[in-house]
Amino acid sequence: QKEVEQDPGPLSVPEGAIVSLNCTYSNSAFQYFMWYRQYSRKGPELLMYTYSSGNKEDGRFTAQVDKSSKYISLFIRDSQPSDSATYLCAMKGNTGKLIFGQGTTLQVKP
Amino acid sequence: NAGVTQTPKFRVLKTGQSMTLLCAQDMNHEYMYWYRQDPGLGLRLIHYSVGEGTTAKGEVPDGYNVSRLKKQNFLLGLESAAPSQTSVYFCASSTGYSNQPQHFGDGTRLSIL
Repeated sequence: QKEVEQDPGPLSVPEGAIVSLNCTYSNSAFQYFMWYRQYSRKGPELLMYTYSSGNKEDGRFTAQVDKSSKYISLFIRDSQPSDSATYLCAMKGNTGKLIFGQGTTLQVKP
Repeated sequence: NAGVTQTPKFRVLKTGQSMTLLCAQDMNHEYMYWYRQDPGLGLRLIHYSVGEGTTAKGEVPDGYNVSRLKKQNFLLGLESAAPSQTSVYFCASSTGYSNQPQHFGDGTRLSIL
């Protein structure tokens, strides 16, 4: 069993839809949770970062962490074609090593 | 704002050839990492360094060597390239504090024929 599981998709939604991206994990030592966005032929760029259970909002993006269920989510409101990318969840504990999900490919159609 | 710069961006090699991928960061980060990204497998850590002159193995180190002679540079070497090493390679860096994220370069696309 992988430490981090992420549905690879692809996920296709119409412009303006609410998108929900999810990851589950098995290691209870994970304390820091990140979402990276990766455009085609580019490196991952940090989108959201949180280290506690609960919600963190940044514009149209909301990151949610539920440590009791070992489940994290990224919500995108009013999705735009420019949001089309691969979204990678990542997490780490005190070892500092980052463990990535497989990535979910999102396409937002105009 | 260069951040993390990788060279070259693209390379084609023949089986058995050697090459070195260069990563440079201008953020004064202590930690640097090399990952490979393959379809269905995600990002996997090859080697990493927690400071100048130090290196350590990651999840998939076989067939690769690394060196960190200068704080700002991290080199990844393939001594005898194999088709299984065809991949996209990403370098990343971070401050080293466990609560700080990693910052990535734009990758090197490597094809081994």
